This record gives sequence, structure tokens and C-alpha cells, in this order.
Amino acid sequence: QQPVQSPQAVILREGEDAVINCSSSKALYSVHWYRQKHGEAPVFLMILLKGGEQKGHEKISASFNEKKQQSSLYLTASQLSYSGTYFCGTGNKAGTALIFGKGTTLSVSS
Amino acid sequence: NAGVTQTPKFQVLKTGQSMTLQCAQDMNHEYMSWYRQDPGMGLRLIHYSVGAGITDQGEVPNGYNVSRSTTEDFPLRLLSAAPSQTSVYFCASSPSRESAQPQHFGDGTRLSIL
Repeated sequence: QQPVQSPQAVILREGEDAVINCSSSKALYSVHWYRQKHGEAPVFLMILLKGGEQKGHEKISASFNEKKQQSSLYLTASQLSYSGTYFCGTGNKAGTALIFGKGTTLSVSS
Repeated sequence: NAGVTQTPKFQVLKTGQSMTLQCAQDMNHEYMSWYRQDPGMGLRLIHYSVGAGITDQGEVPNGYNVSRSTTEDFPLRLLSAAPSQTSVYFCASSPSRESAQPQHFGDGTRLSIL
């Protein structure tokens, strides 16, 4: 079952902050975040693992609440380059069979 | 490094035709997967493989076959194409089956079925 992302779309001006949420009805072992620009392939941002381990870009901030089965991606001081569609994915215990949400479209303008 | 290579980049088929989308990776990754992407639906998992000779179904496997005879290649077969299979198809790989690792995506194949 696909995780649910909110909001569906966000419009920001440069320098503003945004939070993208991802929730699942099933137990979470890992949450993966990717960004996709129009016409391009998704690009890895971060993985959050049960137990608190994180792998990813230092400038990206995210949280993982195991009890609530939720994750949030924090985009601070947004730049034009942050524009794109953000996807969260939830993995099984082995970190495989990654199931993605429908995405959140972020538009940053100057 | 080539990374994940998908061929062809674009393809137009007629209903009922068969087609194989190719995916190859040169990173010795154990895990490979196929997704389709449709407007408003996100990325939906079709099939995945945790190693040569091992495949499993994802969310939307109907109408698609896969095999994994080598570590490098993971082709996706449409046996009898239908208009509902018009989509952008992405192949992805990651280093290990044992723990969560970043997925490396190919550039995609844009498939239209008339």
C-alpha cells in the first residue's frame, strides 16, 4: 500500500521553508526520500532507518517517527534548485520492495 | 561509469505487440527493480530482484514478465501491449539486498501504446 504524502503541492519564494510529510498505515522499517525534476530520473536524497540511523546528504534534514509511522522532510531556506517533485518510499525489513507515495510538487520562485 | 542504462529511450507500439525494455547496470549491484510512472500516481513498483535467478512481484505486476539471468541485466517484457501500459518506465539498482541503500535510477523509457 502506497504511503500518503502531504501536501500534494507547495509554492514557495526563495528563502522560505517547507515541510513534506509521509505517513504509512503499515509498520515502517525505512523511509526513503527522492527528488525528481521534470523529465529526469529520481535522485536520492536520504534514507531514515528504524533505530535512528540516517544516510544521505548533509544539507537535507528529515525525521522518522516509528510510533506514528511517519516521516517528514524539512527544506529550509529554499533555493530555486529545490523545485521538483519529492517522493517518499517505504521499504520492507530488507530495505527492498520500495513502495513510493504519489509525490509532493514543490515550486520555488524568485 | 555508465551506472544504470535503459534502452530504448522512446518507443511506440501497437496494441498486442510484444516488447522488451532493457536495463543494465555496471556497478555490480545485487538489487534491481522496475517502476512505472503515470501522472498523479507516483512511482509504482512492477517487479524486483534481489539477485541473479531471484525475482518477485511488486504492486502492479500484471502484464509484465521479468527474469534475472545475470547480475548486470534485468529486462522487462510486455507480452501483449495494451494502451493502459503507456507510461514512463524506470529501472533502478542498489548495492545490497540486506539493508536499505540508495537506489540508482536509469533515465527512463517513454513507452506509448496505440
